[in-house]
Order: sequence, then C-alpha cells, then structure tokens
Amino acid sequence: AQKITQTQPGMFVQEKEAVTLDCTYDTSDQSYGLFWYKQPSSGEMIFLIYQGSYDEQNATEGRYSLNFQKARKSANLVISASQLGDSAMYFCAMREDISNFGNEKLTFGTGTRLTIIP
Amino acid sequence: EAQVTQNPRYLITVTGKKLTVTCSQNMNHEYMSWYRQDPGLGLRQIYYSMNVEVTDKGDVPEGYKVSRKEKRNFPLILESPSPNQTSLYFCASGRPLGGRVNTGELFFGEGSRLTVL
Repeated sequence: AQKITQTQPGMFVQEKEAVTLDCTYDTSDQSYGLFWYKQPSSGEMIFLIYQGSYDEQNATEGRYSLNFQKARKSANLVISASQLGDSAMYFCAMREDISNFGNEKLTFGTGTRLTIIP
Repeated sequence: EAQVTQNPRYLITVTGKKLTVTCSQNMNHEYMSWYRQDPGLGLRQIYYSMNVEVTDKGDVPEGYKVSRKEKRNFPLILESPSPNQTSLYFCASGRPLGGRVNTGELFFGEGSRLTVL
C-alpha cells in the first residue's frame, strides 16, 4: 500500500481562486509528521507547512493551510488566493517514527503539478 | 547562512566508474537523508541517518552506500553506477521529530543531476 497518495497528477486553477491539493497517508505509528513542499521549475525544494500528529489545530502559514483530518488520514493543502508564482510541483510527505526509538522514515507522494491560469 | 550543500550539481559519468556525491550541512542537524527524484515517482528515500555512525536503508538502497562519520557530512557513494541510477538526487537534513519541539522542516540541498551513460 502506498504510504502517501496524491491522486491529482495535475491541476489547472484560475488566478486568485483557492485551490486544494489532496493528500492521504497510511501509517500505524502514533507519532508522525506531515508536510508539504513546493518544487518550482528551477528544481529546489521549498518547505511550505508542517503538521504534527499530536497538533490539534490545523497548521497555517500565510496563504497556506493544512486541512488535517486524522480519522480520515488526510492532510490536504489549501492555497488561498492563488498567484501565478504558485505554479509548481507540490509534494506531500510524511515522517514517521517506525521503531518508537527515534528511528524515522520519510516518504513522499508522487506530487501534483499545479498550473495557475491568468 | 543555514544551508545544505551538495556537490557536484551536475555530473555525467559512465557505467561502472565509482563516484561520490557529497552533502554537508551547517545546522548541527542529527537527521540526514538522501532521495532520488524520477518523473512520475516523486522522491524516494535511498538512505537516512539519525546521527553519527547510525544509518539505515530507505525504500531504494540498492546500488548505493552511505557513511556518517561526522555529524555535518553524509556522502552518497555509487560504487558501480548503472544507467538506471540516472536521476536527480537530493540531500536533506533536519532535527528528529521525537522532541516535538520543531516544525519538522527538512532543509534540502539544491539537487545533483546525475547521468550514467
């Protein structure tokens, strides 16, 4: 089974609209972290937002928010008021403590390519 | 400036010629990891390290070796590269999640594009 599933290979969104990028995960660990990275065409990985499994509030960072639904095992990224500069590849990822002794494993999804249309 | 530095950024080599991609971080991070990125497959973890002299396999370790003799360095070694190792490689570092006192952010290097002919 896939640890991280991103079901949207590509999305096209009109500028200034909000966009939701889907991410579901699979883990039996109680302690884990979920996050999103942006990869523009230049190739670097840009950290966007992080949600810990014990955090009760949804994480927010500026225009980015993470809609964390623990029971559904989903961690969707919401971008409000999209901008042309948001066009990029977006990766959802999970860090999990696979041994309960601080031995972490990290898994990325296959990504969603977001294109913002003027 | 906090950073993760990878070298080389670009490399074209031939099958069987041993190569090393270096990775160094200046943030005193315990956790370091290597990934390869291939179209349609996202980033896949090759090896990771929780601290000095502690390394473990990720999802795709075959054909790679790593070492962690110092906290700041985590080189990736391809003993006998093959064409299927042609890929974009990323090194990353961060603090362990165990303390739950950090954002979980991983700091990535700029990537190393490797072509094996």
